[in-house]
Amino acid sequence: SQQGEEDPQALSIQEGENATMNCSYKTSINNLQWYRQNSGRGLVHLILIRSNEREKHSGRLRVTLDTSKKSSSLLITASRAADTASYFCATDAASYGNNRLAFGKGNQVVVIP
Amino acid sequence: EAQVTQNPRYLITVTGKKLTVTCSQNMNHEYMSWYRQDPGLGLRQIYYSMNVEVTDKGDVPEGYKVSRKEKRNFPLILESPSPNQTSLYFCASSLKGWEGYTFGSGTRLTVV
Repeated sequence: SQQGEEDPQALSIQEGENATMNCSYKTSINNLQWYRQNSGRGLVHLILIRSNEREKHSGRLRVTLDTSKKSSSLLITASRAADTASYFCATDAASYGNNRLAFGKGNQVVVIP
Repeated sequence: EAQVTQNPRYLITVTGKKLTVTCSQNMNHEYMSWYRQDPGLGLRQIYYSMNVEVTDKGDVPEGYKVSRKEKRNFPLILESPSPNQTSLYFCASSLKGWEGYTFGSGTRLTVV
């Protein structure tokens, strides 16, 4: 079952702008992760935020987590053409069993040079 | 270099001809997992393993088998492939199942 659901599913922005995408989930989680996938390639782990954290930064990435709303957002600041990719959130809900990850369907971001 | 290696990268096969997709990791990770990715459906977990000789079904295990005889290897076996198994397959590993995963480059399988 897919727990994470990203919104919006497709985003097109100009280079230098910020890109924001959201992820909602249904059940309690231990952590939430974001991954990037360049066309047809393997996913790359970007950042992990634990359920007791509200915000986390990594370079140009900022992730927030609101457990009361069961949602997370990923902000990419000062976007570059190389940020063009699909972005997935993944959650490890205890209810999902045995420390597995459930991935959303992905969010396609196109950064126009 | 820390990595997950999948082979082959591309594979075209015929219905019913058994095949194996290999996956190997060099990070001494305990957790390994297989996913398939299809347009509009995202990533769906096929099988996962928490350690040697410990495997369990994911969301879409039908038509697949796995084994974990060694910590580093987690092959995916299709005993009798069918066209609906045409997909992009990813192997991934993690030190702990709830931490970040390292993904392989993918295997694009076409069953005709």
